[in-house]
Parts: sequence; C-alpha cells; structure tokens
Amino acid sequence: AQSVTQPDIHITVSEGASLELRCNYSYGATPYLFWYVQSPGQGLQLLLKYFSGDTLVQGIKGFEAEFKRSQSSFNLRKPSVHWSDAAEYFCAVGAAAGNKLTFGGGTRVLVKP
Amino acid sequence: DSGVTQTPKHLITATGQRVTLRCSPRSGDLSVYWYQQSLDQGLQFLIQYYNGEERAKGNILERFSAQQFPDLHSELNLSSLELGDSALYFCASSERVTSYNEQFFGPGTRLTVL
Repeated sequence: AQSVTQPDIHITVSEGASLELRCNYSYGATPYLFWYVQSPGQGLQLLLKYFSGDTLVQGIKGFEAEFKRSQSSFNLRKPSVHWSDAAEYFCAVGAAAGNKLTFGGGTRVLVKP
Repeated sequence: DSGVTQTPKHLITATGQRVTLRCSPRSGDLSVYWYQQSLDQGLQFLIQYYNGEERAKGNILERFSAQQFPDLHSELNLSSLELGDSALYFCASSERVTSYNEQFFGPGTRLTVL
C-alpha cells in the first residue's frame, strides 16, 4: 500500500528566508508525486507534480521539488518565502495506473515578518 | 478559482441525521473524487466516479454513499451521522480517470455534527 510521511507538522520561517518541506513516500513502483497547498478556508491547489524525467521539477509560485528515489523523498523548496506562503502544504502520491491520491499529514507553514 | 463548485459551504446538523453534499466538476472533467479532511484522520480519499460509474473506493463508511449524475455533477450522501463525521469534505475533478491527470479541488463543505 502506498503511504506518505511529512515529518514536520509545523514550520516557522522568516519572510525572505528559504523553506524546505520534507516528504517521504512508500510505494512499490514508480510513483506519481504531488505537492498541494491549502490556504485558510480554501481548497487544495496543485503546486507541482513529478511523473518521470528530470528529478528537479519547477512549480508555481516559485516552488521546486526534487525527487530522490534512493531516499524515497520528494522535498519541496522555495529560496525566499513571502508572507503569502503561509499555508498548509500536502505531499501526495498516486499510483501510475491508478487514480486515488494518498496524502501526507500536512505541514503548516507560518511566516514571521 | 478551480472551477469546481461545492454546496453548501457549511452544514450543521445533529447526530442520526442524513445530509447530501453536492459537487459540480470543472467543465469537461469526467472524473469526480471525494475526500474527507479531519483533524484525526487527515486528508483521506473516499470514492471516485468516472462518467457516471464508480471507479475506486477508499476509506468510505457503509453509511456514506455517492453517485454521479448524467450531467456529471456528484452527490455524497452521509447518513446516521455521528460526531466523528464532522469534517471538511472536498470534491475534486479531473479530465480523465488516472492520477496522471491533475485533480482540481473545490473549496469544500464543512460539516459539523452536534
């Protein structure tokens, strides 16, 4: 069965500082990996996705993520955070031939001025 | 705005009652997914429909059921409600059936069971 672990429940970062959110997955075959963001009172918005090819993927809002098969990780990064990046971030894995997404527990990001 | 609409936005009801949550997918999307987000269980996949037919089932209770209508909107029916059913219920839609296709999420329906 597929699973996703986001080890950090909360992260506080200063505006302008870099951000890295960790994601570890468990899946027997090549996974489809996603990062979603949920702002307060909003639904989830896709930041980026990885299916194959280049292991460094670029997303919206200046985010990028790196797929490391050897570490079963798909960490999300942003070089310089903005106050508007305060939100909850979810990593998810989907089966290549399947359809459901399995989400991690989420990481809540707080941005200090 | 993802293009996915959900009604109602908030729902407050009592234990034992039955409610129906409605979802309209993005124009052209044939696949609809339902997810439940709660504090103790996190974000969990419930069920998926594609072009009117059930395609995948997740951790959906027997008290819950869903359907997708010919106009592609979907309804999630929750019956014999318990306090633990209080959660945010999301609908998502995608063009096709596999997870290769991006899922677009609606704003959710917050259900409170008193």
